[in-house]
Amino acid sequence: EVQLVESGGAVVQPGGSLRLSCAVSGFKFDDFTIHWVRQAPGKGLEWVSLISWDARTAYYADSVKGRFTMSRDNKKNSVHLQMRSLRNEDTAFYFCAKDLAFGFSSGPTRGGFDFWGQGTMVAVSS
Amino acid sequence: EIVLTQSPDTLSLSPGERATLSCRASQSVGSYLAWYQQKPGQAPRLLIYDASYKATGIPARFSGSGSGTDFFLIISSLEPDDSAVYYCQQRYNWPPYTFGQGTKLEIK
Repeated sequence: EVQLVESGGAVVQPGGSLRLSCAVSGFKFDDFTIHWVRQAPGKGLEWVSLISWDARTAYYADSVKGRFTMSRDNKKNSVHLQMRSLRNEDTAFYFCAKDLAFGFSSGPTRGGFDFWGQGTMVAVSS
Repeated sequence: EIVLTQSPDTLSLSPGERATLSCRASQSVGSYLAWYQQKPGQAPRLLIYDASYKATGIPARFSGSGSGTDFFLIISSLEPDDSAVYYCQQRYNWPPYTFGQGTKLEIK
């Protein structure tokens, strides 16, 4: 059974830092790209970042670029999202999600996000 | 950045009826479009990828169509369990992988 389990969410003050983790099981982890997607309370979905299967490539949404860093440990089947300089607008549920597509390629990509974790809540507030 | 606009914002239908949800892209995305279902308090669930391919375990009453800029998610015969918010997502021009704003489907 495929499982993704997020952890690390908390209440943090503006300007603070937080590290989210996503523990993965049930599939060959190092064959697939992993994403972070967030959802502010009562709002829609916003893609945050991705990391390629080999950790060589990461991309970020403009809203978090320069503040968030995504990493992965293929030996421990886990991904992480280091969040710095947090802002009120970063308040959201953060989901990690597996990409359906095997491997990684730039450009138009077939597939979707086929497995998701249940999310972890990050609240930025003074 | 490609903008996806979903319509309607809310749809209220009865069990057994057919639902048609629309997603329009600000520029062509070919067939690189996915649909997700999200129920309250749950993570999104992949329904359709590549515009018309059903994800594993998705019931036959769900189907997707379209290409270029106009896409549709059709639920042929609604069941009470289909009450959810539905999102489209483009995978043509990224980053970012943009989502539509969502359509809330209510089952009367």
